[in-house]
Amino acid sequence: EAQVTQNPRYLITVTGKKLTVTCSQNMNHEYMSWYRQDPGLGLRQIYYSMNVEVTDKGDVPEGYKVSRKEKRNFPLILESPSPNQTSLYFCASASGAGYEQYFGPGTRLTVT
Amino acid sequence: SQQGEEDPQALSIQEGENATMNCSYKTSINNLQWYRQNSGRGLVHLILIRSNEREKHSGRLRVTLDTSKKSSSLLITASRAADTASYFCATGSNTGNQFYFGTGTSLTVIP
Repeated sequence: EAQVTQNPRYLITVTGKKLTVTCSQNMNHEYMSWYRQDPGLGLRQIYYSMNVEVTDKGDVPEGYKVSRKEKRNFPLILESPSPNQTSLYFCASASGAGYEQYFGPGTRLTVT
Repeated sequence: SQQGEEDPQALSIQEGENATMNCSYKTSINNLQWYRQNSGRGLVHLILIRSNEREKHSGRLRVTLDTSKKSSSLLITASRAADTASYFCATGSNTGNQFYFGTGTSLTVIP
């Protein structure tokens, strides 16, 4: 089954404790992206990747890092999480930029 | 911010009626996409319209795009209770690399 998976689905952590949210797709998609969703603000793009080893900033990249060492994986790294990063995070992939995106189920992160 | 805006923010209709929601955006685009989100879940792609297209249909969905007004509309005909969800428009930048989502329209279809 074609899908985008994210782990963990739920995470509660404390300020400053480094964490990684994994994202994996099995559709051989070149384009992958991370979004955060906050009430009243819709989804905002954090980082995107056009292909392996090619990543770029989206609208709200501060406080986040990504890497794309393999085509199928696109982890999101929070080196020093802060409470304002409490949000619902979605990973998405597409066959290319400008094509329909397939979304993962989301990761609900709470930073206390 | 280049984020788009949907209008209305919330819409409540009876089953069988049509639902129309609008999206306005700020900059030139490569394409515009509509997504549906059931409460707290991942987004599902509905339809994509490219900047050189004016109208597109998919089943009960009809999307229009007016690039001169920087706006789009999504029409759901003969709505069903299962259409209850939030609907988001997303614009792809001119390069197609970046995406900007609107704030969403919450649709409730009453059986």
